[in-house]
Formats: sequence, structure tokens, C-alpha cells
Amino acid sequence: QKEVEQNSGPLSVPEGAIASLNCTYSDRGSQSFFWYRQYSGKSPELIMSIYSNGDKEDGRFTAQLNKASQYVSLLIRDSQPSDSATYLCAVRGDYGQNFVFGPGTRLSVLP
Amino acid sequence: NAGVTQTPKFQVLKTGQSMTLQCAQDMNHNSMYWYRQDPGMGLRLIYYSASEGTTDKGEVPNGYNVSRLNKREFSLRLESAAPSQTSVYFCASSLTTGGDQPQHFGDGTRLSIL
Repeated sequence: QKEVEQNSGPLSVPEGAIASLNCTYSDRGSQSFFWYRQYSGKSPELIMSIYSNGDKEDGRFTAQLNKASQYVSLLIRDSQPSDSATYLCAVRGDYGQNFVFGPGTRLSVLP
Repeated sequence: NAGVTQTPKFQVLKTGQSMTLQCAQDMNHNSMYWYRQDPGMGLRLIYYSASEGTTDKGEVPNGYNVSRLNKREFSLRLESAAPSQTSVYFCASSLTTGGDQPQHFGDGTRLSIL
């Protein structure tokens, strides 16, 4: 059974701080990794994807991947109250097919 | 751009009733998916269609059927609704099932079974 784990939170950070969201996965053959943001009562929306070890930056967001440790993270710099949401990690295996989603981490950015 | 459109947005059913959830995408994607989302359990795949004419079971297919009507449309049917099927249902699509293609989600259908 392929698993993706995340700390359910809530993770609370003050406005302007860096929020760090973590995700681990069990399938060592996983190739593609995605972060989605989901506001309460809304659908998931794609924030970032990452496929190679290292860091990938997009504005205030940085995704970090370490395949050896089976670990992917999302950093949000200069956190804003509008970043308060649940963040879902999704992992796709080496044979493509389907995503496995983690349960999500709820982030609360305090003004 | 509409993206992925789901209907209805809300529905209340009685146990034993049947209904079909509709999903359509206008992004010319080949692959489509149905998920359910329950509190604390994340998104779980019910069925998917890798391409027009094919469908396959996901993690939780029992009690559901699907139809890939054409490239744009993928419907989910509950033949005899049960309270355990109370959930939020999301349809998603992607260009293909493999590689680095992300999935794009519809707004969801909130379904309650009494």
C-alpha cells in the first residue's frame, strides 16, 4: 500500500514568518510530486510540482525534494493570512497512473 | 475558461436512491478521475479513465459505477446510496496519467445520504 504522510496540524505561524510543510512517502519509485492548496469548502488548486532532487522556487513558495530520504517539503516565505488553508501533498509513482494524496496539513497564519 | 465543471453542487438523497454525478472538462485532457474526500482521510480515488473508452477502479470503487461518455465527460453513478457514501466528490482531469502532468479539479459535489 503506497502511503503519503503529512502532519495534520494545525500549524500556526505569525504573519511574515516562514511556514514549513512536510510530506513523506513510502513508494521509493515515486517520480513526480505536487503541492495543492485547498481553502475550506473549496477544491484543491495546484501550487507547485517538483520532479528532481533539490529546490524549486516560485514566488514566495519553495518546494524541496529529497528522494533518498523520501521527503518533500513546501516552504512559504512572508506568510500571509490569505495563505491559511489545508496543503495537500500528492505523489505519483514510477508507472504513472495515479496520484496518492496525503491527508493534508492545515496552516493558520495569524495576523 | 470553465476548466472542470461538476453538477450538481449539492444533493441530498435518501438511502437506497440512485443518482449520477456529472463531470465535464474543456481542456482537451485525456484522463479523468473521481475522488471522494472525507474529514481526516484526504482524497481517495474511486475510479479513473486514462483515456476515452477506458475505465479502471481506484482505491474505493465499491458502490459506484462510472461512464466515460466521450473525451469531455465522465460520470459517476451511485446505484443504491448508503449513508457511508456521504462525502464531497471531486472530479479531476489531466492531460495524461503519466509523467509530470498535474490534475485539475472541479468545484466538487457535496452529497448527503439520509
